[in-house]
Amino acid sequence: DQQVKQNSPSLSVQEGRISILNCDYTNSMFDYFLWYKKYPAEGPTFLISISSIKDKNEDGRFTVFLNKSAKHLSLHIVPSQPGDSAVYFCAASAPRGGGNKLTFGTGTQLKVEL
Amino acid sequence: GAGVSQSPSNKVTEKGKDVELRCDPISGHTALYWYRQSLGQGLEFLIYFQGNSAPDKSGLPSDRFSAERTGGSVSTLTIQRTQQEDSAVYLCASSPGTSKQYFGPGTRLTVT
Repeated sequence: DQQVKQNSPSLSVQEGRISILNCDYTNSMFDYFLWYKKYPAEGPTFLISISSIKDKNEDGRFTVFLNKSAKHLSLHIVPSQPGDSAVYFCAASAPRGGGNKLTFGTGTQLKVEL
Repeated sequence: GAGVSQSPSNKVTEKGKDVELRCDPISGHTALYWYRQSLGQGLEFLIYFQGNSAPDKSGLPSDRFSAERTGGSVSTLTIQRTQQEDSAVYLCASSPGTSKQYFGPGTRLTVT
């Protein structure tokens, strides 16, 4: 049972345009969400997070939106750069109920083309 | 500063052998996690240590898997009698007690 889903295994975007990566979850106990970026042969690196009490969090070119009623979040990258090409993982945790262990989606491979 | 380190980076073993994977967390981080990523899959939680509390072992797939954390720092994940389905990248992460976790580069385990 996949509690965190990333339905798009890949996404291709032109440099300078917006990249939108989507994530859906089923467990209503999740109240903290994170995005990680992963390059080949490296561990995931933290990108941005959002608590369920917010619906938006912004950090430079990266913005995460949370729609709790739809159990959906998205990561916007604008403008996209070639160095953004990587696999992006959505993750969720339930700190108050289940501790800080993360449940991950299967990832979306982003390719930013020149 | 130094990040999370893992060793070995690659391990090839024969089916039925035992393996030990090591993780050195970021100094001062109270929480340590093990995950694994099988081919084409997301990261799967295995086990979680938080301070002196009993570890959360709810993600361990079988009793062939065990982990310990000595002195609140270094952790070892042991897989006994390895099977081919154990082949994966094993990732360790540490955190200062929040959900934001810092990952090591992983150990790629191949069971032949």
